Amino acid sequence: KQEVTQIPAALSVPEGENLVLNCSFTDSAIYNLQWFRQDPGKGLTSLLLIQSSQREQTSGRLNASLDKSSGRSTLYIAASQPGDSATYLCAVRTNYNQGGKLIFGQGTELSVKP
Amino acid sequence: DAGVIQSPRHEVTEMGQEVTLRCKPISGHDYLFWYRQTMMRGLELLIYFNNNVPIDDSGMPEDRFSAKMPNASFSTLKIQPSEPRDSAVYFCASTAARDGFTGELFFGEGSRLTVL
Repeated sequence: KQEVTQIPAALSVPEGENLVLNCSFTDSAIYNLQWFRQDPGKGLTSLLLIQSSQREQTSGRLNASLDKSSGRSTLYIAASQPGDSATYLCAVRTNYNQGGKLIFGQGTELSVKP
Repeated sequence: DAGVIQSPRHEVTEMGQEVTLRCKPISGHDYLFWYRQTMMRGLELLIYFNNNVPIDDSGMPEDRFSAKMPNASFSTLKIQPSEPRDSAVYFCASTAARDGFTGELFFGEGSRLTVL
């Protein structure tokens, strides 16, 4: 059974710092991995989608990497800003034999202090 | 595009009452997912549809929960009778069939349910 873990559960950094959020998963048989952002009381906003054949994806100040064999992904945020404060969730899409489900980690709550 | 639309945004009801949550997926998306989010358990997949057909409902917690997708643009999640432990935020998400399992998932704003 696929399990997704995110470390740390919470992170507080001063504005301008570069930071890394970690995601690990137990079963490497995945289609893709997706990083989301969730603001309090809001839905999930997709940030980056990495297919299983890819190693990384970039969007602006965000860079996500995927090492499928070791079951790890990282989300790198450069030059963090107070507006980046939110909960960041990673989710893996299991393969067809496991129903193609999107399994979520518990999230990392990020606070960027001005 | 309007995105995934859910209603109601907030629902407060009493134990034993029937609750119906609604979702309109993004036009052209043929996969639809229902998730539940709580502080204790995080995001859990309840059920998902492909071309209006339920594919996997193994996450539906009990027989009190049911979901339907009568057409490509509408789905409902019903709880009858509701219980306080059903209190959570229920999310609907969709993705395009052409992308199969590799597509990006888009979420609605969620329906926050409180059962007293």
